[in-house]
Amino acid sequence: DGGITQSPKYLFRKEGQNVTLSCEQNLNHDAMYWYRQDPGQGLRLIYYSQIVNDFQKGDIAEGYSVSREKKESFPLTVTSAQKNPTAFYLCASSGGRGTDTQYFGPGTRLTVL
Amino acid sequence: AQTVTQSQPEMSVQEAETVTLSCTYDTSENNYYLFWYKQPPSRQMILVIRQEAYKQQNATENRFSVNFQKAAKSFSLKISDSQLGDTAMYFCAFMKQSNYQLIWGAGTKLIIKP
Repeated sequence: DGGITQSPKYLFRKEGQNVTLSCEQNLNHDAMYWYRQDPGQGLRLIYYSQIVNDFQKGDIAEGYSVSREKKESFPLTVTSAQKNPTAFYLCASSGGRGTDTQYFGPGTRLTVL
Repeated sequence: AQTVTQSQPEMSVQEAETVTLSCTYDTSENNYYLFWYKQPPSRQMILVIRQEAYKQQNATENRFSVNFQKAAKSFSLKISDSQLGDTAMYFCAFMKQSNYQLIWGAGTKLIIKP
């Protein structure tokens, strides 16, 4: 089955720790995205990548980092510099330039203890 | 900058009724896409319907249809014969054709009552 997987579903972090959220897709999509969702708000773009080995900052990139070494994988690291990391994180992918619709993974809930 | 406004934080209707969710957006672009996504309690974001701005015909997907008014910058979603499984957060989103980035509204919580 083609789709987007995110792991883990729930993640707990102590203050001062870095954590990495996984996102994998087998849709052969060129573009991948990371969003953050807070209660009562729409999604906000953290980072996106239109092609392997290239990525750009979104609206709220501070305190986050990404890599895109493989087409199917786009991991997100939440660093200790992110002041308020508790949120729901969604990964999405799309066919890339000229293809507009984004499809989403099931999300990861990150809680800072 | 583009903005998307969903003026109804929460709505509830009886099962089998028709409900319309509103969405307005602000842009100076002429070429863009509009989307409605559904997020049920599982929190999986699911595409409901999409509309290209250059198309005058309103998009339809089974019980879901849109009323796209380009001049008024309005993009409402109509759900006919509502079902219990339609209970979810509904998000309206705008995408510029130039960069394919989504701008999201704050969402409308829709509750379908039995």
